[in-house]
Amino acid sequence: DTAVSQTPKYLVTQMGNDKSIKCEQNLGHDTMYWYKQDSKKFLKIMFSYNNKELIINETVPNRFSPKSPDKAHLNLHINSLELGDSAVYFCASSQGPDQPQHFGDGTRLSIL
Amino acid sequence: GDSVTQMEGPVTLSEEAFLTINCTYTATGYPSLFWYVQYPGEGLQLLLKATKADDKGSNKGFEATYRKETTSFHLEKGSVQVSDSAVYFCALSGNNFNKFYFGSGTKLNVKP
Repeated sequence: DTAVSQTPKYLVTQMGNDKSIKCEQNLGHDTMYWYKQDSKKFLKIMFSYNNKELIINETVPNRFSPKSPDKAHLNLHINSLELGDSAVYFCASSQGPDQPQHFGDGTRLSIL
Repeated sequence: GDSVTQMEGPVTLSEEAFLTINCTYTATGYPSLFWYVQYPGEGLQLLLKATKADDKGSNKGFEATYRKETTSFHLEKGSVQVSDSAVYFCALSGNNFNKFYFGSGTKLNVKP
């Protein structure tokens, strides 16, 4: 069974569109994260939720809005997509702040 | 603030060579330290971890020792294989609740 699953795996769309990426974890973890990885592999945290509450909200354009319907799901909605949004987005979860994070396989977003 | 610095890549080695990837950190208090590995097209996977000074984490022939006096957590392997080719990330879990700090990643290429 996949521990952290995100869909879709690939997302190709045009500038200006709105899109969502879904993430689900079946590990029973309390905390979930979204990261953005650029073409140089640099990994930047975007958001973190603990038990459906927003804990970390880094400097991210407000076109990005996370939603956590329950502690097993953390979705990412992006409005008015821009060229600079092209990246791989990773969802992750952990049991606690100093516990290892478990990552999904990523969603490769390409903006045309 | 807390941060992680790791050596830039790519690192290119021949099979069976000795590997060292340097990682140093800046943190207040007593962070937990981690090494993650990312194979092409996949998410990050936990490779090993250490939670206190002088702890040695080990897995799949890789080792790293938590050195508080030098604020380092260097990754080593005695004999690398082609299958070890991947990007390696050093990370720490700091005092800022739920926040992980990742290094910039080091790409390892192992040639037959």
